[in-house]
Amino acid sequence: GQSLEQPSEVTAVEGAIVQINCTYQTSGFYGLSWYQQHDGGAPTFLSYNGLDGLEETGRFSSFLSRSDSYGYLLLQELQMKDSASYFCAVRALTGGGNKLTFGTGTQLKVEL
Amino acid sequence: KAGVTQTPRYLIKTRGQQVTLSCSPISGHRSVSWYQQTPGQGLQFLFEYFSETQRNKGNFPGRFSGRQFSNSRSEMNVSTLELGDSALYLCASSPGAQDIQYFGAGTRLSVL
Repeated sequence: GQSLEQPSEVTAVEGAIVQINCTYQTSGFYGLSWYQQHDGGAPTFLSYNGLDGLEETGRFSSFLSRSDSYGYLLLQELQMKDSASYFCAVRALTGGGNKLTFGTGTQLKVEL
Repeated sequence: KAGVTQTPRYLIKTRGQQVTLSCSPISGHRSVSWYQQTPGQGLQFLFEYFSETQRNKGNFPGRFSGRQFSNSRSEMNVSTLELGDSALYLCASSPGAQDIQYFGAGTRLSVL
């Protein structure tokens, strides 16, 4: 089966940098994604890592180490609107399809 | 381009009833996946359809079923509802076997 672990809650102040870690166990690993979900909203795609290394998209960066089964999401210059839940998700190739297994999510609280 | 549309947004049913939820993917997207989201379990994969064929299935009982039509619209059905089926049901579409999934706002099902 597949399992992912990420912290349940992280608190940081506006303007700071925060890192949300994700470790996973899976077979047929293909890539690691990150999604953001505000309360009452739909998950929205943030970043994807198919290969080892860092991917940067504006204030958000994501890192993957396949050998360590580990990744993280880095949020810089935190803003109040970044308060949300963040999910890592493993993409595994099963049945030739697009199956995502999500972690239980990290609730990020940004304070003044 | 319109996003993923799910109907209805809210639904109240009683135990033992059945329910059908609908999802219209983004135009041109052929893959539709369904997820159940609950506070305790997070986002759990139900199934994925591609070109009217179920390509992947999660670990849910047979009471949960789905289908996809030739226009890529998808429906999921839950029969013999149980209290534990109360959840937010999310639909996501993607162009093909790609990682980026675009989520709808979900259908919130309450089983009384």
